[in-house]
Amino acid sequence: DAKTTQPNSMESNEEEPVHLPCNHSTISGTDYIHWYRQLPSQGPEYVIHGLTSNVNNRMASLAIAEDRKSSTLILHRATLRDAAVYYCILRRAGGGADGLTFGKGTHLIIQP
Amino acid sequence: NAGVTQTPKFQVLKTGQSMTLQCAQDMNHNSMYWYRQDPGMGLRLIYYSASEGTTDKGEVPNGYNVSRLNKREFSLRLESAAPSQTSVYFCASSPNDRGNTEAFFGQGTRLTVV
Repeated sequence: DAKTTQPNSMESNEEEPVHLPCNHSTISGTDYIHWYRQLPSQGPEYVIHGLTSNVNNRMASLAIAEDRKSSTLILHRATLRDAAVYYCILRRAGGGADGLTFGKGTHLIIQP
Repeated sequence: NAGVTQTPKFQVLKTGQSMTLQCAQDMNHNSMYWYRQDPGMGLRLIYYSASEGTTDKGEVPNGYNVSRLNKREFSLRLESAAPSQTSVYFCASSPNDRGNTEAFFGQGTRLTVV
């Protein structure tokens, strides 16, 4: 099963950019990189996903390394509402039981 | 637009009791999932259903059974609850189980087994 490694926690200041790293050295060529976040006492929420190229949406940007062994979720201007646990996961193109397998994620703390 | 709805939101069971957690989605999704989340931990997959009529075991299936009742509904049953099953349970759905689709999660069921 493809696995990811993330820092346990990170801290940032409000209104500053945040770069959340994720290592996935055993990624296969057909694995999609997904990011989800979980606000306190809520279910996980989709943030963004990509395969090879960098991706942007209204919530964040995803920067994928050229060798695809790492990626970075970028929150361009953090707010207090962005304080959450962020999960980087790999989802196989063909599906299967290890699709959407979550690790412990990164606990993002935003300081006012 | 309800998305993924789980019932109940909270439940307390005595050891040995049985119960069924209900999950329904209104997005016409093919794939549905059940997870558990223990304090300070990530989500662990219990069972999933890639499409109506199919179910498969995930990482931690022991002590649970599932039923994909129809395309909308996916239930999780605890036949004989144990304290180790105290957890928050999340249901999720996605258009299919392929890698380029996003998943949508319910708000969770907080289960305590005493």
